[in-house]
Amino acid sequence: QSALTQPPSVSGSPGQSVTISCTGTSSDVGSYNRVSWYQQSPGTAPKLMIYEVSNRPSGVPDRFSGSKSGNTASLTISGLQAEDEADYYCNSYTSSSTYVFGTGTKVTVL
Amino acid sequence: EVQLVESGGGLVQPGRSLRLSCTASGFTFGDYAMSWFRQAPGKGLEWVGFVRSKAYGGTTEYAASVKGRFTISRDDSKSIAYLQMNSLKTADTAVYYCSRDIRFSFDIWGQGTMVTVSS
Repeated sequence: QSALTQPPSVSGSPGQSVTISCTGTSSDVGSYNRVSWYQQSPGTAPKLMIYEVSNRPSGVPDRFSGSKSGNTASLTISGLQAEDEADYYCNSYTSSSTYVFGTGTKVTVL
Repeated sequence: EVQLVESGGGLVQPGRSLRLSCTASGFTFGDYAMSWFRQAPGKGLEWVGFVRSKAYGGTTEYAASVKGRFTISRDDSKSIAYLQMNSLKTADTAVYYCSRDIRFSFDIWGQGTMVTVSS
Protein backbone atom coordinates (compact mmCIF):
# COMPACT_ATOMS: atom_id res chain seq x y z
CA GLN A 1 0.00 0.00 0.00
CA SER A 2 1.66 3.23 -1.13
CA ALA A 3 1.47 6.38 0.97
CA LEU A 4 -1.10 8.97 0.00
CA THR A 5 0.41 11.97 -1.79
CA GLN A 6 0.54 15.35 -0.07
CA PRO A 7 2.49 18.50 -1.00
CA PRO A 8 5.66 18.74 1.11
CA SER A 9 4.89 22.27 2.23
CA VAL A 10 2.34 25.07 2.06
CA SER A 11 2.54 28.55 3.51
CA GLY A 12 0.38 31.58 4.11
CA SER A 13 0.20 34.83 6.02
CA PRO A 14 -1.92 35.18 9.15
CA GLY A 15 -5.57 35.46 8.23
CA GLN A 16 -5.16 33.78 4.85
CA SER A 17 -6.47 30.36 3.85
CA VAL A 18 -4.37 27.38 2.88
CA THR A 19 -5.47 24.04 1.44
CA ILE A 20 -3.61 20.74 1.69
CA SER A 21 -4.43 18.02 -0.83
CA CYS A 22 -4.24 14.29 -0.20
CA THR A 23 -4.35 12.08 -3.28
CA GLY A 24 -4.92 8.37 -3.11
CA THR A 25 -6.60 5.76 -5.25
CA SER A 26 -9.95 4.09 -5.76
CA SER A 27 -8.83 1.52 -3.15
CA ASP A 28 -8.53 4.01 -0.34
CA VAL A 29 -9.57 7.68 -0.48
CA GLY A 30 -11.93 7.09 -3.37
CA SER A 31 -13.64 4.06 -1.81
CA TYR A 32 -14.79 5.35 1.55
CA ASN A 33 -15.62 8.51 3.45
CA ARG A 34 -13.04 7.34 5.99
CA VAL A 35 -10.42 10.03 5.63
CA SER A 36 -9.01 11.75 8.69
CA TRP A 37 -6.46 14.53 9.25
CA TYR A 38 -3.86 14.97 11.99
CA GLN A 39 -1.82 17.91 13.22
CA GLN A 40 1.62 17.23 14.68
CA SER A 41 3.94 19.75 16.28
CA PRO A 42 7.61 18.84 16.81
CA GLY A 43 8.18 16.33 19.59
CA THR A 44 4.50 15.75 20.24
CA ALA A 45 1.92 13.11 19.39
CA PRO A 46 -0.46 13.68 16.49
CA LYS A 47 -3.82 15.33 17.16
CA LEU A 48 -7.03 14.42 15.34
CA MET A 49 -8.40 17.43 13.45
CA ILE A 50 -10.94 15.96 11.01
CA TYR A 51 -12.63 12.55 10.80
CA GLU A 52 -14.86 10.95 8.16
CA VAL A 53 -13.75 13.53 5.57
CA SER A 54 -15.38 16.62 7.04
CA ASN A 55 -16.27 16.19 10.71
CA ARG A 56 -14.49 18.13 13.43
CA PRO A 57 -13.97 16.62 16.89
CA SER A 58 -15.03 18.69 19.85
CA GLY A 59 -12.48 21.40 20.59
CA VAL A 60 -11.09 21.74 17.06
CA PRO A 61 -11.60 25.30 15.75
CA ASP A 62 -14.11 25.69 12.93
CA ARG A 63 -11.45 27.30 10.75
CA PHE A 64 -10.38 23.72 9.99
CA SER A 65 -12.53 22.03 7.35
CA GLY A 66 -12.29 18.93 5.19
CA SER A 67 -13.69 17.77 1.88
CA LYS A 68 -13.25 15.08 -0.74
CA SER A 69 -13.68 14.72 -4.47
CA GLY A 70 -12.97 11.40 -6.13
CA ASN A 71 -9.58 10.11 -5.02
CA THR A 72 -8.46 13.40 -3.49
CA ALA A 73 -9.24 14.72 -0.03
CA SER A 74 -8.45 18.23 1.15
CA LEU A 75 -7.92 20.06 4.42
CA THR A 76 -8.49 23.80 4.45
CA ILE A 77 -7.33 26.11 7.20
CA SER A 78 -9.16 29.42 7.03
CA GLY A 79 -8.00 32.48 8.95
CA LEU A 80 -4.51 31.04 9.40
CA GLN A 81 -3.00 31.61 12.83
CA ALA A 82 0.57 31.30 14.10
CA GLU A 83 -0.43 28.34 16.26
CA ASP A 84 -1.47 26.41 13.13
CA GLU A 85 2.18 26.02 12.09
CA ALA A 86 2.80 22.27 12.22
CA ASP A 87 2.97 19.12 10.12
CA TYR A 88 -0.32 17.75 8.82
CA TYR A 89 -1.04 14.18 7.78
CA CYS A 90 -4.04 12.66 6.07
CA ASN A 91 -5.08 9.06 6.67
CA SER A 92 -7.47 6.73 4.89
CA TYR A 93 -9.00 3.35 5.52
CA THR A 94 -8.37 0.98 2.59
CA SER A 95 -10.17 -1.83 0.81
CA SER A 96 -7.69 -4.25 2.43
CA SER A 97 -8.99 -3.32 5.90
CA THR A 98 -5.77 -1.46 6.64
CA TYR A 99 -4.92 2.21 6.97
CA VAL A 100 -2.49 4.40 5.07
CA PHE A 101 -1.07 7.82 5.89
CA GLY A 102 -0.18 10.64 3.60
CA THR A 103 3.39 11.79 3.09
CA GLY A 104 2.85 14.82 5.32
CA THR A 105 2.71 18.57 4.72
CA LYS A 106 4.54 21.27 6.65
CA VAL A 107 2.40 24.36 7.13
CA THR A 108 4.37 27.57 7.60
CA VAL A 109 2.78 30.80 8.79
CA LEU A 110 4.71 33.65 7.23
CA GLU B 1 -8.94 11.71 32.26
CA VAL B 2 -8.79 9.69 29.07
CA GLN B 3 -5.18 8.64 28.63
CA LEU B 4 -2.87 6.20 26.87
CA VAL B 5 0.67 5.50 28.05
CA GLU B 6 3.17 3.50 26.01
CA SER B 7 6.08 1.70 27.62
CA GLY B 8 8.72 -0.90 26.84
CA GLY B 9 10.86 0.95 24.36
CA GLY B 10 14.63 0.94 24.39
CA LEU B 11 17.78 -0.16 22.61
CA VAL B 12 17.74 -3.63 21.06
CA GLN B 13 20.07 -5.48 18.71
CA PRO B 14 19.01 -6.44 15.18
CA GLY B 15 17.24 -9.78 15.08
CA ARG B 16 16.08 -9.57 18.69
CA SER B 17 12.56 -9.05 20.07
CA LEU B 18 10.82 -6.38 22.10
CA ARG B 19 7.31 -6.01 23.50
CA LEU B 20 5.64 -2.65 23.87
CA SER B 21 2.65 -1.98 26.10
CA CYS B 22 -0.09 0.62 25.79
CA THR B 23 -1.95 1.16 29.07
CA ALA B 24 -5.32 2.86 28.88
CA SER B 25 -7.31 4.74 31.50
CA GLY B 26 -10.41 6.90 31.65
CA PHE B 27 -12.55 4.94 29.18
CA THR B 28 -13.98 1.45 28.64
CA PHE B 29 -10.98 -0.08 26.91
CA GLY B 30 -12.79 -3.19 25.69
CA ASP B 31 -15.23 -1.18 23.61
CA TYR B 32 -12.58 0.10 21.22
CA ALA B 33 -10.18 -1.13 18.57
CA MET B 34 -6.60 -0.09 19.27
CA SER B 35 -3.94 0.81 16.74
CA TRP B 36 -0.16 1.09 16.75
CA PHE B 37 1.87 3.54 14.68
CA ARG B 38 5.49 4.50 14.29
CA GLN B 39 7.51 7.47 13.16
CA ALA B 40 11.16 7.07 12.19
CA PRO B 41 13.42 10.01 13.08
CA GLY B 42 12.63 12.94 10.79
CA LYS B 43 10.07 10.91 8.82
CA GLY B 44 6.31 10.72 8.50
CA LEU B 45 3.72 8.65 10.32
CA GLU B 46 3.27 4.98 9.47
CA TRP B 47 0.33 2.84 10.55
CA VAL B 48 1.60 -0.47 11.94
CA GLY B 49 -1.58 -2.40 12.71
CA PHE B 50 -4.64 -2.71 14.88
CA VAL B 51 -6.63 -5.11 17.02
CA ARG B 52 -10.40 -5.01 16.88
CA SER B 53 -12.54 -5.07 19.98
CA LYS B 54 -13.85 -8.44 21.19
CA ALA B 55 -17.28 -7.43 19.87
CA TYR B 56 -15.74 -7.57 16.38
CA GLY B 57 -13.79 -10.73 16.99
CA GLY B 58 -10.61 -9.26 18.45
CA THR B 59 -8.91 -9.89 15.11
CA THR B 60 -5.88 -8.04 13.82
CA GLU B 61 -4.62 -6.34 10.66
CA TYR B 62 -1.07 -5.29 9.85
CA ALA B 63 0.91 -3.14 7.47
CA ALA B 64 2.83 -5.14 4.87
CA SER B 65 6.14 -3.86 6.29
CA VAL B 66 5.61 -5.65 9.62
CA LYS B 67 3.29 -8.54 8.76
CA GLY B 68 4.71 -11.84 9.98
CA ARG B 69 7.15 -10.13 12.39
CA PHE B 70 4.88 -8.01 14.60
CA THR B 71 1.86 -9.19 16.62
CA ILE B 72 -0.73 -7.02 18.30
CA SER B 73 -2.81 -8.36 21.20
CA ARG B 74 -4.97 -7.02 23.98
CA ASP B 75 -5.83 -7.78 27.59
CA ASP B 76 -9.15 -6.08 28.30
CA SER B 77 -9.02 -7.07 31.98
CA LYS B 78 -5.89 -4.92 32.35
CA SER B 79 -6.79 -2.27 29.72
CA ILE B 80 -3.52 -2.93 27.89
CA ALA B 81 -2.70 -3.37 24.23
CA TYR B 82 0.58 -5.00 23.28
CA LEU B 83 2.88 -4.83 20.29
CA GLN B 84 5.20 -7.83 20.10
CA MET B 85 8.05 -7.09 17.71
CA ASN B 86 10.24 -9.97 16.51
CA SER B 87 13.19 -10.16 14.11
CA LEU B 88 13.79 -6.46 14.53
CA LYS B 89 15.65 -4.54 11.84
CA THR B 90 17.46 -1.22 11.92
CA ALA B 91 14.61 0.11 9.75
CA ASP B 92 12.24 -0.48 12.69
CA THR B 93 13.94 2.31 14.66
CA ALA B 94 11.19 4.81 15.45
CA VAL B 95 8.94 6.36 18.04
CA TYR B 96 6.01 4.00 18.50
CA TYR B 97 2.57 5.35 19.36
CA CYS B 98 -0.70 3.67 20.26
CA SER B 99 -4.14 5.16 19.80
CA ARG B 100 -7.80 4.53 20.32
CA ASP B 101 -9.77 3.91 17.15
CA ILE B 102 -13.11 5.62 16.70
CA ARG B 103 -15.09 5.93 13.49
CA PHE B 104 -12.10 5.01 11.33
CA SER B 105 -9.92 7.66 12.91
CA PHE B 106 -7.60 7.90 15.90
CA ASP B 107 -8.73 10.27 18.60
CA ILE B 108 -6.59 9.57 21.65
CA TRP B 109 -2.82 9.08 21.35
CA GLY B 110 -0.12 8.14 23.80
CA GLN B 111 3.08 10.14 24.20
CA GLY B 112 5.13 7.53 22.32
CA THR B 113 8.03 5.28 23.22
CA MET B 114 11.35 5.20 21.38
CA VAL B 115 12.67 1.96 19.93
CA THR B 116 16.24 1.94 18.67
CA VAL B 117 17.47 -1.12 16.77
CA SER B 118 21.25 -1.06 16.60
CA SER B 119 24.24 -3.29 17.21
